Amino acid sequence: KAGVTQTPRYLIKTRGQQVTLSCSPISGHRSVSWYQQTPGQGLQFLFEYFSETQRNKGNFPGRFSGRQFSNSRSEMNVSTLELGDSALYLCASSLEVEDEKLFFGSGTQLSVL
Amino acid sequence: QKEVEQNSGPLSVPEGAIASLNCTYSDRGSQSFFWYRQYSGKSPELIMSIYSNGDKEDGRFTAQLNKASQYVSLLIRDSQPSDSATYLCALSFGGATNKLIFGTGTLLAVQP
Repeated sequence: KAGVTQTPRYLIKTRGQQVTLSCSPISGHRSVSWYQQTPGQGLQFLFEYFSETQRNKGNFPGRFSGRQFSNSRSEMNVSTLELGDSALYLCASSLEVEDEKLFFGSGTQLSVL
Repeated sequence: QKEVEQNSGPLSVPEGAIASLNCTYSDRGSQSFFWYRQYSGKSPELIMSIYSNGDKEDGRFTAQLNKASQYVSLLIRDSQPSDSATYLCALSFGGATNKLIFGTGTLLAVQP
């Protein structure tokens, strides 16, 4: 069974631009979560989706948004990029929203110049 | 105060020794606890979950939970160089969400 797939693997943007990251969960998994990982802050929860609905949102500005499609694939968008948005963005999937065993993708490494 | 605290390390142990990784948390409402392993440049991988007080063993790994002391630990017996990685402690509050709160991780280095 294929794991969680995230694209692209690396991304370089400049301040003020926007970016869209994609995540395909493990087949059969219906819940998708997004995390930001930085050396100083570690892994921080961004949001969680189930059945195309955002179930939970972390403490990030409104520039960070996401959505989930009917096939459980998810995208996250960051608008008006700032230097501090440089991070590894990890997507994780689980069978159900109450299933806390997360399976992570390889992540998208975003660099904002 | 951070919700989940871990010593960043590095924790250096010789091959074959027991590595002891510790984690404390601040919210007594925490329900479930997890240990993830993250190799450099890779994504986190779940290695242990524990939900009730006491010990839980899985192969060379033992997770220990003490809710009264708000303390979770991971013991790795017979440490191998391949165990060298960052170990992330995480917790959740249960309910209709799988949101996890992570510590910043402890870097373990197993010396051959």
